[in-house]
Amino acid sequence: ILNVEQSPQSLHVQEGDSTNFTCSFPSSNFYALHWYRWETAKSPEALFVMTLNGDEKKKGRISATLNTKEGYSYLYIKGSQPEDSATYLCAFRNTDKLIFGTGTRLQVFP
Amino acid sequence: SQTIHQWPATLVQPVGSPLSLECTVEGTSNPNLYWYRQAAGRGLQLLFYSVGIGQISSEVPQNLSASRPQDRQFILSSKKLLLSDSGFYLCAWNIAGPLEQYFGPGTRLTVT
Repeated sequence: ILNVEQSPQSLHVQEGDSTNFTCSFPSSNFYALHWYRWETAKSPEALFVMTLNGDEKKKGRISATLNTKEGYSYLYIKGSQPEDSATYLCAFRNTDKLIFGTGTRLQVFP
Repeated sequence: SQTIHQWPATLVQPVGSPLSLECTVEGTSNPNLYWYRQAAGRGLQLLFYSVGIGQISSEVPQNLSASRPQDRQFILSSKKLLLSDSGFYLCAWNIAGPLEQYFGPGTRLTVT
């Protein structure tokens, strides 16, 4: 059974704080690692697709790193804003399927 | 550009009634198609996926079924709904390869 774990489960931060989350995934049969941002009652929005060990991707204040050998990825948000409040999902890609973690629920207070 | 449609957006059904949720993709050919569900307080669970017409892989044994009658159409069905079928159902597509997977707007199903 392939297991993708995310931590922490939830996070409450003040506006302006920087934060980071962890995604752990199987280190064998790796194909890609996806990060999504998911707001309640909306569809998940793709943030990054990462395929190579050592990959670093950035989109505005959000960045991610990937370590396929040890099976983890970090997502960083610099200077959190209230509009960053959402659930952040990672997904391990194994050929045709994505195996999702349960997400990290981020709440940013003004 | 590619678009994915799902309907209905919300649905309230009694226990024991049938279900049909439809998903269609426009602007691409031979996509991989997926059905996911998020039950209350839980993560996103893959239910079915399809790499071609008539090809369905089931991930979780349950009272749901899926069909792909056309290249860009994916249908999720049940003959008799259970209370535990309540949740948020998402359809998604991608093209084979380590590319992004795109999600539809979702259907909120409440079984009463």
